[in-house]
Amino acid sequence: EVQLVESGGGLVQPGGSLKLSCAASGFSFSDSAIHWVRQASGEGLEWVGRINGKVHDFGSAYAASMKGRFTISRDESRSTAYLQMNSLKTDDTAVYYCARPISGTTFVDYWGQGTLVTVSS
Amino acid sequence: DIQMTQSPSSVSASVGDRVTITCRASQDIGSSLAWSQQKPGQAPKLLIYAASRLQSGVPSRFSGSGSGADFTLTISSLQPEDFATYYCQQAYSFPITFGQGTRLDIK
Repeated sequence: EVQLVESGGGLVQPGGSLKLSCAASGFSFSDSAIHWVRQASGEGLEWVGRINGKVHDFGSAYAASMKGRFTISRDESRSTAYLQMNSLKTDDTAVYYCARPISGTTFVDYWGQGTLVTVSS
Repeated sequence: DIQMTQSPSSVSASVGDRVTITCRASQDIGSSLAWSQQKPGQAPKLLIYAASRLQSGVPSRFSGSGSGADFTLTISSLQPEDFATYYCQQAYSFPITFGQGTRLDIK
């Protein structure tokens, strides 16, 4: 069974940093890209970024508003992806989901349960 | 960035009704479109990908059509569990972008 479990969310002050984790199981992690998507309370879905799997040399891509502040990485030995968030703003407050796409596509078919990040003083 | 515009933003319908939601892209995206369903407090669930391919396990009352810039999600006969918010998403180019969502309420 495919499972994605996020962790690491919490309360952080503006300007602070936070690192989220996404623990994966039930599929070949190294062969799969991992996406991060966020959703502010009562709002729609916003794509954050993606890291490719081994076959595409672990390349990454980001939404413009997060590029330079957010970094996605992965640890194959732990089957875990990470989202490092720096210089956080109040607008970054959201539930952050990690998600796995259908092989060979960017259509996400499995999502984690999400982890809440609150940026507030 | 490719802009995705859904209509309507909200719709009220009854069990058994046929409902259609549309999504328009700001440029030609071929068939690189997905539809997802989200219920309160839950992660989204993929329904349709590549514009018209039904995701495994999704009931056949859901269908997708369209190509280029105009797409449609149809629910042929609404069931109680279908009341939720629906999002379209383009996978043609980065950044991936979503429509603003269509909330489907019980009439």
